[in-house]
Amino acid sequence: GNSVTQMEGPVTLSEEAFLTINCTYTATGYPSLFWYVQYPGEGLQLLLKATKADDKGSNKGFEATYRKETTSFHLEKGSVQVSDSAVYFCALSDQNGQNFVFGPGTRLSVLP
Amino acid sequence: GAGVSQSPSNKVTEKGKDVELRCDPISGHTALYWYRQSLGQGLEFLIYFQGNSAPDKSGLPSDRFSAERTGGSVSTLTIQRTQQEDSAVYLCASSLAARSVWTFGPGTRLLVL
Repeated sequence: GNSVTQMEGPVTLSEEAFLTINCTYTATGYPSLFWYVQYPGEGLQLLLKATKADDKGSNKGFEATYRKETTSFHLEKGSVQVSDSAVYFCALSDQNGQNFVFGPGTRLSVLP
Repeated sequence: GAGVSQSPSNKVTEKGKDVELRCDPISGHTALYWYRQSLGQGLEFLIYFQGNSAPDKSGLPSDRFSAERTGGSVSTLTIQRTQQEDSAVYLCASSLAARSVWTFGPGTRLLVL
């Protein structure tokens, strides 16, 4: 079945550092890929998505590129802020928008 | 409302009691999903509704868990004879259609003593 693997956290960075959170997936067909974010005390929010190979999703300075050859969807940000501290979930759905699978989440803490 | 709402926001119950968790999806959203997030764990899929039917119940952890959806809108997740391992945040999400982006509710934090 489909699965998502994320780098384990927690990840602690200083403000303005470069962020990478690795995500790889296993899926049949052509899944859509997502990053969701959960800020402290809040519900999950969609951060960005990509629906086909080589698509780049971007939002709030975060980017992730759908790499079918490496089955990856790594999340990057060039300069993190304290307000980026949250738990980040990589996820995929199959090409029918079903069988949604989430990774375990990576907790990011950004220190001033 | 503008988003997905869930109630109650917090629930503390005693082991062995039944609980009902409610999800109000965004109006017009046909797909509805229940997940739970246990402490230190990732998101665990529970059940998926398309309209009032549930084509995928594979994630329900035991027969103590059941869910229904009426009128293609509100959904209720019921946990009978709660156990301490049921303690988690239960998240509901809805989407316009199966392939659309989801909107998550704020979750119900359940604590079973």
